[in-house]
Amino acid sequence: EPEVTQTPSHQVTQMGQEVILRCVPISNHLYFYWYRQILGQKVEFLVSFYNNEISEKSEIFDDQFSVERPDGSNFTLKIRSTKLEDSAMYFCASSTQGTMSNQPQHFGDGTRLSIL
Amino acid sequence: QKEVEQNSGPLSVPEGAIASLNCTYSDRVSQSFFWYRQYSGKSPELIMSIYSNGDKEDGRFTAQLNKASQYVSLLIRDSQPSDSATYLCAGRNSGNTPLVFGKGTRLSVIA
Repeated sequence: EPEVTQTPSHQVTQMGQEVILRCVPISNHLYFYWYRQILGQKVEFLVSFYNNEISEKSEIFDDQFSVERPDGSNFTLKIRSTKLEDSAMYFCASSTQGTMSNQPQHFGDGTRLSIL
Repeated sequence: QKEVEQNSGPLSVPEGAIASLNCTYSDRVSQSFFWYRQYSGKSPELIMSIYSNGDKEDGRFTAQLNKASQYVSLLIRDSQPSDSATYLCAGRNSGNTPLVFGKGTRLSVIA
């Protein structure tokens, strides 16, 4: 069964450094998402991406964050200058296009980001 | 009211029993709902989706939606120790809009 893949599985970075989290969505999916989950808390939406542009973003997704689809397969999340509070599990998700509101989102295994 | 609310648990049930997990939601996320299972340190895994009033069954799982009461539930029949996990309820308003998650209910199935 096709799946969303994320790399790396764990990233340790010094505060203030830039990080890039990578995702390969399911090949025929057109909608891409980033979510994060701080330890012990709920899954929170960051940004959605469709047709090579951001379609929606949350208030968490400030100027330190950016997303890109540099080629036909990868979808990346960049955090320009990391803060301690960016430590979390970051999940990429993708879904097919459809007008039905029950199009499920399929999640990758996540990247655990630890900021020191 | 928070958009999606769940009792954090833990909910403990004996092996073989029915586990009942509940979720309430606000108007902002009222079109479709998803139940995900999340093992500790792992990613959310889709179990079921539901968007029409009533029941939807898939194997040992039944999702129930009551739009008048803004209530969605997940029943797990013949619970197994391997069902022990956190169950996340998520809703959204339309199409491919982002999911809004509840905090999750931790289920423990005792052998």
